[in-house]
Amino acid sequence: DAKTTQPPSMDCAEGRAANLPCNHSTISGNEYVYWYRQIHSQGPQYIIHGLKNNETNEMASLIITEDRKSSTLILPHATLRDTAVYYCIVRVATGANNLFFGTGTRLTVIP
Amino acid sequence: DAGVTQSPTHLIKTRGQQVTLRCSPISGHKSVSWYQQVLGQGPQFIFQYYEKEERGRGNFPDRFSARQFPNYSSELNVNALLLGDSALYLCASSLAALNEQFFGPGTRLTVL
Repeated sequence: DAKTTQPPSMDCAEGRAANLPCNHSTISGNEYVYWYRQIHSQGPQYIIHGLKNNETNEMASLIITEDRKSSTLILPHATLRDTAVYYCIVRVATGANNLFFGTGTRLTVIP
Repeated sequence: DAGVTQSPTHLIKTRGQQVTLRCSPISGHKSVSWYQQVLGQGPQFIFQYYEKEERGRGNFPDRFSARQFPNYSSELNVNALLLGDSALYLCASSLAALNEQFFGPGTRLTVL
């Protein structure tokens, strides 16, 4: 599976949009981009995933560049409860369902 | 609907002992995966089971083993515990082998 690069930390003001970038320049055509987050001392929580089209659900939006080498997770109106470590994961849709979690981005939402 | 449940929540063992951790998946989910999360790092994949068969294994020694039961619950066993096995052990379930995974709260294992 391709590796990802994320900034180690980011801050966001409460109520503003949080834009979390992820670089996955070695992604293959059959690899999906997944986003999970982990709030302190809890298990990771699935947020969203996509292949090449932009995706939106009740939690977030995922914007994937046309060349698929990078993506951005958007939390439209960040709240204090969105403070967490966000992991961008690239995974092929075959074989074992193993997720490679890097070090992620620690997002702090500031009141 | 209940989420993924794990037991126990906390456990303290000494070096050389053996431990068994348990996981119940979300109702209807047939796949269970196990991850180890050492403090300050992201989770690392240990095993995946689907329909009671091992589907994948991470880079962990043979001291780590797992199994899945007919009701799709799962156990993770670790033998001859080392200090470095101290970690949060996470279980995740998915509907089928390659669907998105839903994680439990984890079992915090401390090896003294």
